[in-house]
Amino acid sequence: AQKITQTQPGMFVQEKEAVTLDCTYDTSDPSYGLFWYKQPSSGEMIFLIYQGSYDQQNATEGRYSLNFQKARKSANLVISASQLGDSAMYFCAMREGRTGGFKTIFGAGTRLFVKA
Amino acid sequence: DAGITQSPRYKITETGRQVTLMCHQTWSHSYMFWYRQDLGHGLRLIYYSAAADITDKGEVPDGYVVSRSKTENFPLTLESATRSQTSVYFCASRPGLADTGELFFGEGSRLTVL
Repeated sequence: AQKITQTQPGMFVQEKEAVTLDCTYDTSDPSYGLFWYKQPSSGEMIFLIYQGSYDQQNATEGRYSLNFQKARKSANLVISASQLGDSAMYFCAMREGRTGGFKTIFGAGTRLFVKA
Repeated sequence: DAGITQSPRYKITETGRQVTLMCHQTWSHSYMFWYRQDLGHGLRLIYYSAAADITDKGEVPDGYVVSRSKTENFPLTLESATRSQTSVYFCASRPGLADTGELFFGEGSRLTVL
């Protein structure tokens, strides 16, 4: 069963607007971590933001915020004030807990297109 | 230079040949991972290792072999390459459990199996 689900293969957003990229996850471990990575067309993987399962507040990093809804098992990425340079592939990932061997798994990704 | 390096960056091989992708990190990170990236599938975990001499299967381990005799190296071997193993392979590492778990990635190795 897929443990990280990203239901939006592609998304368009107008420059300077906000966009939400969806991510749901599945785990029975009480302790886990959630991540978002960006992959521009050049191919490298860039870490954006992290949310621990016990963190009470949503994580924020500059224009990135993670909307963590634990009961719904969702960890959506919100990018505010989109820029042309935000056009890239975005991956949601989860560091599993003890039951999952502490490994990190990824979703299928969402390709974001920012329009001028 | 410090970091995580993969070699070769590009490789073309033929069906049935053995191929080894190398991964080397200079941080002494405990955990190392191999992923493959294919269109529509994102990054899928092949194998991972929590420490030297400890390896575990990921989501798609069939057709691959790994070893980790030293902390800094984590080679991935395709014992008999198949066309379905044409992919971009990423190696990654992270320090251990007492951290956020952010992964540090290599630049990727693009493998084509003819």
